[in-house]
Amino acid sequence: DAGVIQSPRHEVTEMGQEVTLRCKPISGHDYLFWYRQTMMRGLELLIYFNNNVPIDDSGMPEDRFSAKMPNASFSTLKIQPSEPRDSAVYFCASREGVRNEQFFGPGTRLTVL
Amino acid sequence: DAKTTQPTSMDCAEGRAANLPCNHSTISGNEYVYWYRQIHSQGPQYIIHGLKNNETNEMASLIITEDRKSSTLILPHATLRDTAVYYCIVRAPLTNFGNEKLTFGTGTRLTIIP
Repeated sequence: DAGVIQSPRHEVTEMGQEVTLRCKPISGHDYLFWYRQTMMRGLELLIYFNNNVPIDDSGMPEDRFSAKMPNASFSTLKIQPSEPRDSAVYFCASREGVRNEQFFGPGTRLTVL
Repeated sequence: DAKTTQPTSMDCAEGRAANLPCNHSTISGNEYVYWYRQIHSQGPQYIIHGLKNNETNEMASLIITEDRKSSTLILPHATLRDTAVYYCIVRAPLTNFGNEKLTFGTGTRLTIIP
């Protein structure tokens, strides 16, 4: 298994632009999580899905952030418009049922200038 | 979820056992102790978890005190590849409808010395 796949690995954009981050979970996993990691705030959960349905989005910082999961094998995290304070590493993770391990992807390093 | 306290950093000589402590004095009776690690520029990786009995797998051992207020993660023969930030997390049992959040603290930065 290729593990959780994220793209792009690095993204540099200018303030005000739309940014879309992509994630392909491990096949058969029914939970998908989006995290953000910064030096100041550490690793924070933004939102998670179960069977493609958003369950808890209380960690999404503001309306500029949105996440979708149109099918079991794909999810997006969109920031529109982006701001410099959104610069961070964004991780996607997936999990199978009530198994204990979350499997993390390699992350997308986002820089907003 | 209960809060955890870990040392900011630790060093360990290559080939020796690395013992990483974690305090979780407010842990509830049904909360588990989880350990993840994050190697530089990678996503976090699950290591092990336990409730009250000691646990061992191919990566590590987890020792939980009888009162469950603290635990120790043991890497029996540390290698350079074990250099990472180690996170101790406590959380309620997973259910299909319940508590999914992993709350990562600041962790312990473990450096394996050649």
